[in-house]
Amino acid sequence: DAKTTQPPSMDCAEGRAANLPCNHSTISGNEYVYWYRQIHSQGPQYIIHGLKNNETNEMASLIITEDRKSSTLILPHATLRDTAVYYCIVNRSGGSNYKLTFGKGTLLTVNP
Amino acid sequence: NAGVTQTPKFQVLKTGQSMTLQCAQDMNHNSMYWYRQDPGMGLRLIYYSASEGTTDKGEVPNGYNVSRLNKREFSLRLESAAPSQTSVYFCASRGTANTEAFFGQGTRLTVV
Repeated sequence: DAKTTQPPSMDCAEGRAANLPCNHSTISGNEYVYWYRQIHSQGPQYIIHGLKNNETNEMASLIITEDRKSSTLILPHATLRDTAVYYCIVNRSGGSNYKLTFGKGTLLTVNP
Repeated sequence: NAGVTQTPKFQVLKTGQSMTLQCAQDMNHNSMYWYRQDPGMGLRLIYYSASEGTTDKGEVPNGYNVSRLNKREFSLRLESAAPSQTSVYFCASRGTANTEAFFGQGTRLTVV
């Protein structure tokens, strides 16, 4: 699976959009981009994933660049409860690839 | 709908003692995973099981053994606990290689 690079920390004001970047320059054609978050010491929670098209769900939007070498997770109206570590993962789909590894993620702090 | 259930939630062991961490999922998922998370660190994959009857090493398998007892259950065993194994352990499951993973709430293990 391709390696990802994320900033170690970011701040965001409550009510504003939080834009979390992820670099995955070695991504290959059949690899998906996944985002998870971990609030305090709870188990990680799935947010969203995509292959090449932009995706949106009730939690967030995922913008993937045309060359797929980077992506941005957007939380449109961040709240204090969105303070968490956000993990960007690239994972190959199908076949026998079931391994799922995490990096260190980005600590997003939402400030009042 | 319980999702992924880990037992116990907390455990204190003496060096050299053995114990088994239990994980069960009720989502009929094929793949299951064990991670450890040390303070201020991301999740590190210990072992995973792509499907019932198979297990594979992750990033940090030394000192651990696993058993995929059936499709629902995946246990992690520490044969001779060491202080370096003090950590929070997370179990996860997912249906296929291109779907999201679901995590348990963690087992907080202290080895003294």
